[in-house]
Amino acid sequence: DTEVTQTPKHLVMGMTNKKSLKCEQHMGHRAMYWYKQKAKKPPELMFVYSYEKLSINESVPSRFSPECPNSSLLNLHLHALQPEDSALYLCASSPLGGGRAGNEQFFGPGTRLTVL
Amino acid sequence: AQSVSQHNHHVILSEAASLELGCNYSYGGTVNLFWYVQYPGQHLQLLLKYFSGDPLVKGIKGFEAEFIKSKFSFNLRKPSVQWSDTAEYFCAVTNSGYSTLTFGKGTMLLVSP
Repeated sequence: DTEVTQTPKHLVMGMTNKKSLKCEQHMGHRAMYWYKQKAKKPPELMFVYSYEKLSINESVPSRFSPECPNSSLLNLHLHALQPEDSALYLCASSPLGGGRAGNEQFFGPGTRLTVL
Repeated sequence: AQSVSQHNHHVILSEAASLELGCNYSYGGTVNLFWYVQYPGQHLQLLLKYFSGDPLVKGIKGFEAEFIKSKFSFNLRKPSVQWSDTAEYFCAVTNSGYSTLTFGKGTMLLVSP
């Protein structure tokens, strides 16, 4: 299995809802990432987990809460979002170790989130 | 901090024209370099990557890129574009010791049939 999967593909939520995005990989990768991408802009890094521990939080508002239950799974819990949080949320993973090739990131298809 | 510059925000070409998209990065140490493509409404796909070795890298769909260390550049090329190459192209860099990617702002390529 050489892909990163994300569910759901699309999500529409109100500002008072609580929802979660899910990301899964079975490549044995030890780093996982959440990115936010607005239309016609590059992805912006939100969080990095290395060996299941949060290693980078790019000053993301607390209404976004990441979780890494195990080395294959990464969740992003959403609560009290704002309309400006509407975007494509991308998950990625990378092997780590193994020299420079360990830094290559493999991206999932993303979840397109709309906040009403 | 690392930065990546893509010189052209929009490029318009006719089919069969040659393509070159510029990418320059700021870090002076050892880097890993990537080009990603994002077709309209779709997710990021890796076109090609450079870690070490031959500075001329061949990727998918007839794309290639050349790493020129002295110019801090990693330009993307294709000899003859097709309408289906219409997409956003992102250059990205990691420092060899870290895995966080720094993306350029992207270049929107429009190929007219």
